[in-house]
Amino acid sequence: QVQLVESGGGVVQPGGSLRLSCAASGFTFSSYGIHWVRQAPGKGLDWVAFIQYHGNDKRYADSVKGRFTISRDNSKNTLYLQMNSLRVEDTAVYYCAKDLAGGSYSIDYWGQGTQVIVSS
Amino acid sequence: QSALTQPASVSGSPGQSITISCTGTSSDVGSYNLVSWYQHHHPGKAPKLMIYEVSKRPSGVSNRFSGSKSGNTASLTISGLQAEDEADYYCLSYASSSTWVFGGGTKLTVL
Repeated sequence: QVQLVESGGGVVQPGGSLRLSCAASGFTFSSYGIHWVRQAPGKGLDWVAFIQYHGNDKRYADSVKGRFTISRDNSKNTLYLQMNSLRVEDTAVYYCAKDLAGGSYSIDYWGQGTQVIVSS
Repeated sequence: QSALTQPASVSGSPGQSITISCTGTSSDVGSYNLVSWYQHHHPGKAPKLMIYEVSKRPSGVSNRFSGSKSGNTASLTISGLQAEDEADYYCLSYASSSTWVFGGGTKLTVL
């Protein structure tokens, strides 16, 4: 079955950096686009970034553009999110999520999430 | 990339039907039949896809869940409400900026 397992979350000071990872299994990772979605405490879901299956097409929310970088290693079935210049408002649970594909532009599987806390 | 507009909360009794709206603009909901809906019981648990491409149901999702769209507003209807339907519901739309945007979320309470 499809599994997405995030790791790398933690506590970091404002202005600091963190790299999240997402290990995928149970499907052909190299054939699907993957999203990062976050949820701040007490808030709703917030789309962060997307990378197409081949890694050459990357898209970002305006709130993270220029600070976050999404990447993937298809040989390791792993997705990454490099987060630089972190702000207090980046505090959230970060989910990696598999695109349904087939032109549906929706998400069919999600990980359990990893907590990121930005605080001094 | 403004969030799509959903009611903060809706409620209904077991067996009743409820509808959750998701209002966007001509740059997202109105331009594409690419609206999906997610059920989220609590943070730390994976959300679940309930509807994709406005009205399609994934395998395994109850036919009590249905979706529709008119203009810039998409809707999720849950018929025959059950206690286990109590959760937060989010819409998601593809947008003309080649990005995605979520709705603010709706808390469904089954009375």
